[in-house]
Amino acid sequence: GESVGLHLPTLSVQEGDNSIINCAYSNSASDYFIWYKQESGKGPQFIIDIRSNMDKRQGQRVTVLLNKTVKHLSLQIAATQPGDSAVYFCAENRGGGADGLTFGKGTHLIIQP
Amino acid sequence: EAGVAQSPRYKIIEKRQSVAFWCNPISGHATLYWYQQILGQGPKLLIQFQNNGVVDDSQLPKDRFSAERLKGVDSTLKIQPAKLEDSAVYLCASSQMGEPKKLFFGSGTQLSVL
Repeated sequence: GESVGLHLPTLSVQEGDNSIINCAYSNSASDYFIWYKQESGKGPQFIIDIRSNMDKRQGQRVTVLLNKTVKHLSLQIAATQPGDSAVYFCAENRGGGADGLTFGKGTHLIIQP
Repeated sequence: EAGVAQSPRYKIIEKRQSVAFWCNPISGHATLYWYQQILGQGPKLLIQFQNNGVVDDSQLPKDRFSAERLKGVDSTLKIQPAKLEDSAVYLCASSQMGEPKKLFFGSGTQLSVL
């Protein structure tokens, strides 16, 4: 089965609020994690990544937090905008040489006006 | 910089027919991946190429799926014969040698098997 998953299939937030999307993983050997955004009819788009030797990484309006103790990853989006509406996937690289990412099922972020 | 190009955009076939998808990665990207994304799920890796060699094809159903990247640039993924459960979006992605894990995806080919 898949080792990377998300706690909620749908998250609804008010425009302007902060969004937090969560992800759990089970493989302790995973050394790299990425968040992707996928809009309808498009391929996944890179948002932000984090290596296992880090706890936090910030980008433009986005922050990724990694808690290796409980194998938990989160994506925080500040001041959510209508354009943030999409499905968000966390993905992990399990190491061992192959670079293919393992994706979870995704969270659909819905922005309410 | 041009992104990952895929064609066709959509394809509808009947079961037991064959189909092929084409991918042109970002220029200079040595690593190419094919993913299958079933509706409502995350993408699943089918095969990974490094230049023209296969790195990982452990999840490729080899009895019906095949892929090649003969000159280390473009790639084709073929399904023969197709089954109903092959209905999905087939995504191609590529990455640079220096950052092998940051994948850039194309828009995909949406396959419907009737």
